[in-house]
Amino acid sequence: GAVVSQHPSRVICKSGTSVKIECRSLDFQATTMFWYRQFPKKSLMLMATSNEGSKATYEQGVEKDKFLINHASLTLSTLTVTSAHPEDSSFYICSARDPGLNNEQFFGPGTRLTVL
Amino acid sequence: DAKTTQPTSMDCAEGRAANLPCNHSTISGNEYVYWYRQIHSQGPQYIIHGLKNNETNEMASLIITEDRKSSTLILPHATLRDTAVYYCIVRVNYGGSQGNLIFGKGTKLSVKP
Repeated sequence: GAVVSQHPSRVICKSGTSVKIECRSLDFQATTMFWYRQFPKKSLMLMATSNEGSKATYEQGVEKDKFLINHASLTLSTLTVTSAHPEDSSFYICSARDPGLNNEQFFGPGTRLTVL
Repeated sequence: DAKTTQPTSMDCAEGRAANLPCNHSTISGNEYVYWYRQIHSQGPQYIIHGLKNNETNEMASLIITEDRKSSTLILPHATLRDTAVYYCIVRVNYGGSQGNLIFGKGTKLSVKP
């Protein structure tokens, strides 16, 4: 299957700082990428859909000014957690649709964010 | 997208077949059944999907009932590395339009020696 990478895999930051997480499709071009969040022992929750060259579509209850998404190219989407607080600590996972594989969705390995 | 119901947890002996059930009684005609799994602290991994016919790949088999209201994922020879949470998801997929993947609670499969 297609490969999706994320960077960093882990990040620890102080409260009030901003953190950027990158999601890359390594061997395909993805017009659509997705960002999920997962709290411990919980399921994945879709945060937003990221479309290349346009604004992201956020799910209900997700603050777009706090979770900035930029899908500037067909292989890169970034999620910036602005003014992070301890309650933002979570596992953030991106995924991308591969148009060459019938638009099937492949997931990155996730980024563990800890806000102190 | 239709909702799914899965058992919270299941155990399976190593080397035996693992049969994971999923109910999706409100599935509509243009919705496919997808299975993903998530090993601890990793991103979800695609396993298989189908519409109405049974499907098989190198990882698993998917058996969908004739009325499409339920399905079973079969791992023919479970190994310890198959211990994971398995998610059954129904999702619209027709033409160039796909619904979002919405994850439920899944089934935690524990493969035991």
